[in-house]
Amino acid sequence: DAGVIQSPRHEVTEMGQEVTLRCKPISGHDYLFWYRQTMMRGLELLIYFNNNVPIDDSGMPEDRFSAKMPNASFSTLKIQPSEPRDSAVYFCASSLGRRHGELFFGEGSRLTVL
Amino acid sequence: AQSVTQLDSHVSVSEGTPVLLRCNYSSSYSPSLFWYVQHPNKGLQLLLKYTSAATLVKGINGFEAEFKKSETSFHLTKPSAHMSDAAEYFCVVSQPGRRALTFGSGTRLQVQP
Repeated sequence: DAGVIQSPRHEVTEMGQEVTLRCKPISGHDYLFWYRQTMMRGLELLIYFNNNVPIDDSGMPEDRFSAKMPNASFSTLKIQPSEPRDSAVYFCASSLGRRHGELFFGEGSRLTVL
Repeated sequence: AQSVTQLDSHVSVSEGTPVLLRCNYSSSYSPSLFWYVQHPNKGLQLLLKYTSAATLVKGINGFEAEFKKSETSFHLTKPSAHMSDAAEYFCVVSQPGRRALTFGSGTRLQVQP
C-alpha cells in the first residue's frame, strides 16, 4: 500500500490567495483526520471525517478554513483567503475505526504564506 | 478532560546507551495511551499502544513503555540507542468513545556518536 498521500509537499503563496491541500487516505480506512503542526502550538486537530462525513470540526480556526471529503479516497483542506499566520505543516491521517488511535500519517504539506 | 505532559523537551544520549522519555497523563477515564515518532520532514508513525491489557507494551524498533496507574505515567524506554532513533517523540492520550487524540508537546531525542 502506498500509504497516505498528500499534495503538494510544499506550497509558498502570498497573503490573500486561496490554498488547497489534498489527501488520499489508505484504501479501506474509514476515518480521516486533518492536523496542523506549528512550533508554537504543536499538533492541533482541525477536523475529522468518518465514512466521508465531517464529525468534529471544532478545531477549524475560522471560516477561512474549510474541508471536504467527496468520496472515500479523497479529501481537501482549503484556506481562503490565506494569511501569514496560517503558515504551518498540515498533516492528513487515516485510520480504521476498530483500530482506535492507530493513525497513519502522510508526509505533510508545508505551507508558507508571505 | 485529558492531557499529557512530556517532561523533557530535549533529551541527548550517546549511541548504545539507554533511552528514557518521560510522559505523565491526566484522564478522567481509563485512557488509551500511545507513543508516536516523527523523523525530520516526515509524518508521524505509531511506535506502540496501551489499551488496558498488559501494562508493559512493546513497540517497533526495540522501544517499550510501561503504564503505571499509580504514577499516571507512560514512559518510553529503549535499552540501547541507535543513531537512527534521533527524532521527535510524542506521547498521546485518548478517552473511550472519543476519536480525537491529545498530543503532548514532543521530546526531541538527539543521539550522539
